[in-house]
Amino acid sequence: GESVGLHLPTLSVQEGDNSIINCAYSNSASDYFIWYKQESGKGPQFIIDIRSNMDKRQGQRVTVLLNKTVKHLSLQIAATQPGDSAVYFCAEKRSNYQLIWGAGTKLIIKP
Amino acid sequence: SQTIHQWPATLVQPVGSPLSLECTVEGTSNPNLYWYRQAAGRGLQLLFYSVGIGQISSEVPQNLSASRPQDRQFILSSKKLLLSDSGFYLCAWSPSDRGLTEAFFGQGTRLTVV
Repeated sequence: GESVGLHLPTLSVQEGDNSIINCAYSNSASDYFIWYKQESGKGPQFIIDIRSNMDKRQGQRVTVLLNKTVKHLSLQIAATQPGDSAVYFCAEKRSNYQLIWGAGTKLIIKP
Repeated sequence: SQTIHQWPATLVQPVGSPLSLECTVEGTSNPNLYWYRQAAGRGLQLLFYSVGIGQISSEVPQNLSASRPQDRQFILSSKKLLLSDSGFYLCAWSPSDRGLTEAFFGQGTRLTVV
């Protein structure tokens, strides 16, 4: 069936290094993707989004890359900080009212 | 600025008891409103969404119901809770002219049914 999934459930990176979180999707017709950050016990927080007519979008310290050929997107976080520790979700917009969420990747920052 | 309030933050209820979780949004009009449930270590599952007062769409069959008595108020209810209703419930809103392109979440309610 159609799904959005993540390659790694946990990612550990050294503070100051760059982090790359990956996500695969299976619906080639998907035209919009979002990355969310969820800190423990809190609701998800919007990070960045990308439409299918783009292959790259940059924010503050974050970059999302979209490869439609292999149906893969990634979230890159530059100079990872302790405050980046969280679970990161990619989500695929299925309709105007529904997002299909991946399982999440837990990012752990090592001092 | 827009804010979303969801309460209570935690709730422990016995099996068979009723449930009422409330969510309100401030600083915007006619928002799209959503209720999600999140199992531990998992992504979010959409339960209900609403595009206007009294308009509720259900995404999955379940023991829960939702109501929108006012433009910026969204309520999640159950007449009799089941053990399987335990989970982390999240309310969210998005601007009505953009569907779910940019959803803002409340802080969530951790429900434990015992």
